[in-house]
Amino acid sequence: NAGVTQTPKFRILKIGQSMTLQCTQDMNHNYMYWYRQDPGMGLKLIYYSVGAGITDKGEVPNGYNVSRSTTEDFPLRLELAAPSQTSVYFCASSNNGGGRGTDTQYFGPGTRLTVL
Amino acid sequence: GDSVTQMEGPVTLSEEAFLTINCTYTATGYPSLFWYVQYPGEGLQLLLKATKADDKGSNKGFEATYRKETTSFHLEKGSVQVSDSAVYFCALSVPSGGSNYKLTFGKGTLLTVNP
Repeated sequence: NAGVTQTPKFRILKIGQSMTLQCTQDMNHNYMYWYRQDPGMGLKLIYYSVGAGITDKGEVPNGYNVSRSTTEDFPLRLELAAPSQTSVYFCASSNNGGGRGTDTQYFGPGTRLTVL
Repeated sequence: GDSVTQMEGPVTLSEEAFLTINCTYTATGYPSLFWYVQYPGEGLQLLLKATKADDKGSNKGFEATYRKETTSFHLEKGSVQVSDSAVYFCALSVPSGGSNYKLTFGKGTLLTVNP
């Protein structure tokens, strides 16, 4: 199993450009997540999905969009890039079965995005 | 709201030293508690977890005990190695609606172990 894969690894955008960060998992997990990691600030949840066709906002959704058309893929879209979106983005997945919050999240290697 | 406070870093130790990274939490209900580790240039990976009071999670020589009375989940290791150099995140799992849960992370503690 490859686990959670993310592309690209690095990207530089100009203000106002758009791009899609790709995320794929091969563990048949129903839950998927997008986080951003800013220096010294831990991880903040952007969006999450509990299954194909179902998405919901996290703590910091403004400026981002997501879709979940398949179990495997959960792309994150930036429509009008701003310098405040310079960050490292991590995708994660989990089973989240049992409804007790005990499941492990599996993270991808991250995408480092710079907006100039 | 639910939150995690962990020890400010960076922490610098010599090889074979004892490690403690403090973590306290605020939560309603009975959260599950986690320690994740991020090695340089990589994503986070689970180090250990505990799902109820007095549980002890352990892995790779690291341990943490879920202390409900002090709302703490401190990470310890008796003898650190250079390969333990990483950022360590304490996290708790909180309900996010229905039967869904999400993780709330601390800010992370950078550990550097020198030979």
